[in-house]
Amino acid sequence: AQTVTQSQPEMSVQEAETVTLSCTYDTSESDYYLFWYKQPPSRQMILVIRQEAYKQQNATENRFSVNFQKAAKSFSLKISDSQLGDAAMYFCAYRSLITGTASKLTFGTGTRLQVTL
Amino acid sequence: GAGVSQSPSNKVTEKGKDVELRCDPISGHTALYWYRQSLGQGLEFLIYFQGNSAPDKSGLPSDRFSAERTGGSVSTLTIQRTQQEDSAVYLCASSLWGGTSGRAVRETQYFGPGTRLLVL
Repeated sequence: AQTVTQSQPEMSVQEAETVTLSCTYDTSESDYYLFWYKQPPSRQMILVIRQEAYKQQNATENRFSVNFQKAAKSFSLKISDSQLGDAAMYFCAYRSLITGTASKLTFGTGTRLQVTL
Repeated sequence: GAGVSQSPSNKVTEKGKDVELRCDPISGHTALYWYRQSLGQGLEFLIYFQGNSAPDKSGLPSDRFSAERTGGSVSTLTIQRTQQEDSAVYLCASSLWGGTSGRAVRETQYFGPGTRLLVL
């Protein structure tokens, strides 16, 4: 079974600075998807960014980008020009593409990001 | 368009009572998922519906938990004889699954705001 590890329970960043959240995963599969979701106090999980494992190019979405290292099984999220609204819990998630497996997401334990003035 | 909606937003119940949680997926999304988020267990998959196929119930923690999806749209998660350990946030998600967009787009899950269940 796949596992996802987020080793940073909490992180803090000053407004306008850059922060990187770490995620590693364990899998024997060669093709899969990886996601970062953001969960603010409102509880709603919001998709931040998506990466397809077969693509070597790192995904970017405005101020959010990933550093996808397939061999190292690492998928870190970089937030540039941090804003107060970025404060939230961030979850890394893995999606297997093996036929017959549940189409579920396997989540890490999350990283709480604080943004300070 | 409208996102995934869930009701009620919060539910307080007494131990031993049955509860029903509702999920309305994004219109046109054929796949629907339930997850549970609790302090001790993190985010856990519960059940998955795809079209008219038999649901994948592999994540349901006990036979007190059941779910159905009527007409391929709205889903109800039922917990019978609730226990205090059932207290958690129950999240519903949907994905497009079918269609002509790329697979990653089709399989991206979009979440509702969740139902916070407290069992006293």
